[in-house]
Amino acid sequence: AQTVTQSQPEMSVQEAETVTLSCTYDTSESDYYLFWYKQPPSRQMILVIRQEAYKQQNATENRFSVNFQKAAKSFSLKISDSQLGDAAMYFCAYRTASGYSGGGADGLTFGKGTHLIIQP
Amino acid sequence: EAGVAQSPRYKIIEKRQSVAFWCNPISGHATLYWYQQILGQGPKLLIQFQNNGVVDDSQLPKDRFSAERLKGVDSTLKIQPAKLEDSAVYLCASSWTSGSSDTQYFGPGTRLTVL
Repeated sequence: AQTVTQSQPEMSVQEAETVTLSCTYDTSESDYYLFWYKQPPSRQMILVIRQEAYKQQNATENRFSVNFQKAAKSFSLKISDSQLGDAAMYFCAYRTASGYSGGGADGLTFGKGTHLIIQP
Repeated sequence: EAGVAQSPRYKIIEKRQSVAFWCNPISGHATLYWYQQILGQGPKLLIQFQNNGVVDDSQLPKDRFSAERLKGVDSTLKIQPAKLEDSAVYLCASSWTSGSSDTQYFGPGTRLTVL
């Protein structure tokens, strides 16, 4: 079974600064997907960024980028120019890429989350 | 495009009572997921449907939880009887299909409190 670990229960950053959230995972699979989801107090889980394990290039989405280290099984999220609207719980998640051959089972495995606080 | 809809948003019940949650996925999405999110933790998959068939229910406590997706669209998750430890947010998510790179879109969740 896969596991996802987020070792930072809470992080705080000044507005306009850069912050990095850490995530490690454990798997025996070679092909998979990794995600960062944002969950504001309203509870709606929103996809921030995704990474395919077969791609060496790190994914970027505007102010959000990842540092994917496959050998180290590490997947950190960097948020540049932090804004007040970035305040939320951030969850790292793993998803198998073998779901099709496995009958389609491809539910997400989440970490416990990191609470990000933005200081004005 | 309308998102994933869930109801009710909040529910308070006594232990040993029954409760049901409803989910309407994004139109056209064949795959539907139910997750349980206990306070302070990440969501945990309970069950996954592909159309109206169950793909994965390995983490569903089948002695008290049941779920159905009869027509391959809406889904209902039921707890009978509820225990105190069932207090959580129940999230529904959907995607175009499974076994692919499709994104899972989440609904707003139902917060269940069991007293």
